[in-house]
Amino acid sequence: DAGVTQSPTHLIKTRGQQVTLRCSPKSGHDTVSWYQQALGQGPQFIFQYYEEEERQRGNFPDRFSGHQFPNYSSELNVNALLLGDSALYLCASSPLDGSTDTQYFGPGTRLTVL
Amino acid sequence: AQSVTQLDSQVPVFEEAPVELRCNYSSSVSVYLFWYVQYPNQGLQLLLKYLSGSTLVESINGFEAEFNKSQTSFHLRKPSVHISDTAEYFCAVRTNTGFQKLVFGTGTRLLVSP
Repeated sequence: DAGVTQSPTHLIKTRGQQVTLRCSPKSGHDTVSWYQQALGQGPQFIFQYYEEEERQRGNFPDRFSGHQFPNYSSELNVNALLLGDSALYLCASSPLDGSTDTQYFGPGTRLTVL
Repeated sequence: AQSVTQLDSQVPVFEEAPVELRCNYSSSVSVYLFWYVQYPNQGLQLLLKYLSGSTLVESINGFEAEFNKSQTSFHLRKPSVHISDTAEYFCAVRTNTGFQKLVFGTGTRLLVSP
């Protein structure tokens, strides 16, 4: 049973560019959440997707947007990159029906903005 | 809103010694509590969770945590650590209803020396 997968593993961009990160949820999961983990910090919630719609959003600017596809996979897009966007971006999946269920995390995408 | 405090940014300990990693949370509603572990250059792995029932929860690799509602704490303990336990440990909370957004602490780095 494949767990949560993310691509790419690493990414280097320059300020002002745009980036797209991808996530495939664990089998049987239909809800995807994205987190940003800056160096030396705990993960911060960006947003969550279910049924191809954004259900909840954290305190991130509109430069951060996402999408969920019919197969439950998801993308995170960041426009007009800033140096401060350098971080590990984590995707987590969970089944919606279980309010007690746990979020399972992927290995992350390390984004470096120069 | 919920918040998590992990007072110890780093805990050095010798192999086979006991360890406690502290976690305190704040919430006006009932919460679920989690401990995740992050090894270098990897994503987060669930270590253990408290949802309901017995306040003492255990992991398969010897860690345990006790939910203390009166002290709003969920400290992580292990009676005898191994070199392989060296990692970053994150405490997280989420409400027990509604959306599944996780709120993380800033993490505690456990350093196990021979």
